[in-house]
Amino acid sequence: AQTVTQSQPEMSVQEAETVTLSCTYDTSESDYYLFWYKQPPSRQMILVIRQEAYKQQNATENRFSVNFQKAAKSFSLKISDSQLGDAAMYFCAYRSDTGNQFYFGTGTSLTVIP
Amino acid sequence: ETGVTQTPRHLVMGMTNKKSLKCEQHLGHNAMYWYKQSAKKPLELMFVYSLEERVENNSVPSRFSPECPNSSHLFLHLHTLQPEDSALYLCASSQVVAGELFFGEGSRLTVL
Repeated sequence: AQTVTQSQPEMSVQEAETVTLSCTYDTSESDYYLFWYKQPPSRQMILVIRQEAYKQQNATENRFSVNFQKAAKSFSLKISDSQLGDAAMYFCAYRSDTGNQFYFGTGTSLTVIP
Repeated sequence: ETGVTQTPRHLVMGMTNKKSLKCEQHLGHNAMYWYKQSAKKPLELMFVYSLEERVENNSVPSRFSPECPNSSHLFLHLHTLQPEDSALYLCASSQVVAGELFFGEGSRLTVL
């Protein structure tokens, strides 16, 4: 099975600053999907951003962008202009191009300091 | 109703009780999932129902029994649970091909 590693259990950032959350994964597949999910204290997990492995261009969604390094099997999330509402657990996830299983990391707890 | 809805949101049960968690999705997806979320651990996939086929994590104890009567509804039947089964149980749905997961708000289970 594929493994997803988030090496930063906790991170903090000053409001309006930029923070980068790290994620690495292990796979022998060439086609797959990567995701970042956010889980605020209210618990519902929501999708922040997704990246298709066949796309070289890094995905962006407003203040959220990724740095996808396929050869290095790295998929980091950059949050620009951090806001108080960004405080949450962030999970990195992998999905094979075939099959329905998603593999998650252990999460990074992000604190935003006013 | 939109998205993925889970009931109940909170459940406290004794080790000899029988209870069920319910999940309903209104997104037209064709795959549904149960995940267990415990502190400091990766989300643990318990069961997947996809196009009427079931895939299960072999490490899930038989005291957890899933049921998927149709593509919109998913149940997790609980019987003679243990205190270590206390966790947040998340339901999710997706399209079979290439889609992302959409999660419900979770059911917080406490086993006394």
